[in-house]
Amino acid sequence: GAGVSQSPSNKVTEKGKDVELRCDPISGHTALYWYRQSLGQGLEFLIYFQGNSAPDKSGLPSDRFSAERTGGSVSTLTIQRTQQEDSAVYLCASSLGSTGGEQFFGPGTRLTVL
Amino acid sequence: KNQVEQSPQSLIILEGKNCTLQCNYTVSPFSNLRWYKQDTGRGPVSLTIMTFSENTKSNGRYTATLDADTKQSSLHITASQLSDSASYICVVRASGGSYIPTFGRGTSLIVHP
Repeated sequence: GAGVSQSPSNKVTEKGKDVELRCDPISGHTALYWYRQSLGQGLEFLIYFQGNSAPDKSGLPSDRFSAERTGGSVSTLTIQRTQQEDSAVYLCASSLGSTGGEQFFGPGTRLTVL
Repeated sequence: KNQVEQSPQSLIILEGKNCTLQCNYTVSPFSNLRWYKQDTGRGPVSLTIMTFSENTKSNGRYTATLDADTKQSSLHITASQLSDSASYICVVRASGGSYIPTFGRGTSLIVHP
């Protein structure tokens, strides 16, 4: 596709359930980022993938959060045993991989935990 | 600690008017600064990028300025349109191999007819 896509666009779940959020980056982009955006807050870094290198997981808020990137392309962010404070918009971005490169964002997944 | 502060937090203007958004940062060593526009329900989209040697850059009705000495940037919007209603986010990257940029909280702009 022409841009970064994310699915689902909206997800409503019950507290304690697991959720999976998907990101399809722009073809050829080696760098992939996950961010969380809560209402009125700036983007919060979660995890960064670059090529085949080990991901930078330093932004993950707890061990309930994990992410993987298969074949250097599609990425899945998994939140286990969701809590109400996990409610937010989860944004994925990809870039060509240079440290100064523009990040292209997907439309985000709005997660609501009841 | 690297920080990016934006002001005002929100702004309401009438269509056709100009406005200026501010961004102050403490990111060091500085590499570049981007302004992003985020429409409601969409991901951010880059408007401009400023490097250390640049102090003004325009993109249509958007003009960004950078003062690297005072670590301040501004985004000026001329002759605002209803479609300018969005959140404007200032993002600063450090040099030296850092790949995680620092995001401001954004300025929410509402343009009324």
